[in-house]
Amino acid sequence: TQLLEQSPQFLSIQEGENLTVYCNSSSVFSSLQWYRQEPGEGPVLLVTVVTGGEVKKLKRLTFQFGDARKDSSLHITAAQPGDTGLYLCAGAGEKGGSEKLVFGKGTKLTVNP
Amino acid sequence: SAVISQKPSRDICQRGTSLTIQCQVDSQVTMMFWYRQQPGQSLTLIATANQGSEATYESGFVIDKFPISRPNLTFSTLTVSNMSPEDSSIYLCSVARDRLLAKNIQYFGAGTRLSVL
Repeated sequence: TQLLEQSPQFLSIQEGENLTVYCNSSSVFSSLQWYRQEPGEGPVLLVTVVTGGEVKKLKRLTFQFGDARKDSSLHITAAQPGDTGLYLCAGAGEKGGSEKLVFGKGTKLTVNP
Repeated sequence: SAVISQKPSRDICQRGTSLTIQCQVDSQVTMMFWYRQQPGQSLTLIATANQGSEATYESGFVIDKFPISRPNLTFSTLTVSNMSPEDSSIYLCSVARDRLLAKNIQYFGAGTRLSVL
């Protein structure tokens, strides 16, 4: 069974600070998705990383996929209150044709003004 | 992406009753999934809704409790049967367009917030 360990589970920071969220596994994933979910809404896709070592940037958010495609990180620079939400990483299985995603437990981020 | 409409958005139900949740997509999709999420927590996959055949359930979930229909490529329903307070949760529908091209990307509906008294 593939597992994704996501940390930290909770994070409360002040506006302007930087933060990093990690997702780690002993399994190899063909791709990894990051989602953000706000209260009362479903998860919204932020990015998909596919290639080992890949780095993608989305404004103040930087996503990295590990060289071995077993881990990923999300770094937020100069966090803002609008970044508050539940961040979820989700990995797609290594075997071709596996449609199911494995989700991490999530990181609940609160950015205080 | 895909526009996913999920109904109802929330409901309060009595113990022992059943609730059917609908998921409508604005275009044909390959895969549809149903998840359960406790508030503030991660997602647990209930089942994959297969068009024209029985759904594929994950360990711990059974068809008698969570019957699923998928009559076509744009619509699915999940029924939570014989509800108890332990079924209080958020239920989410997700879709994936094409596993080969879209790298298993899933898009989610806004969810159904269910409270069972």
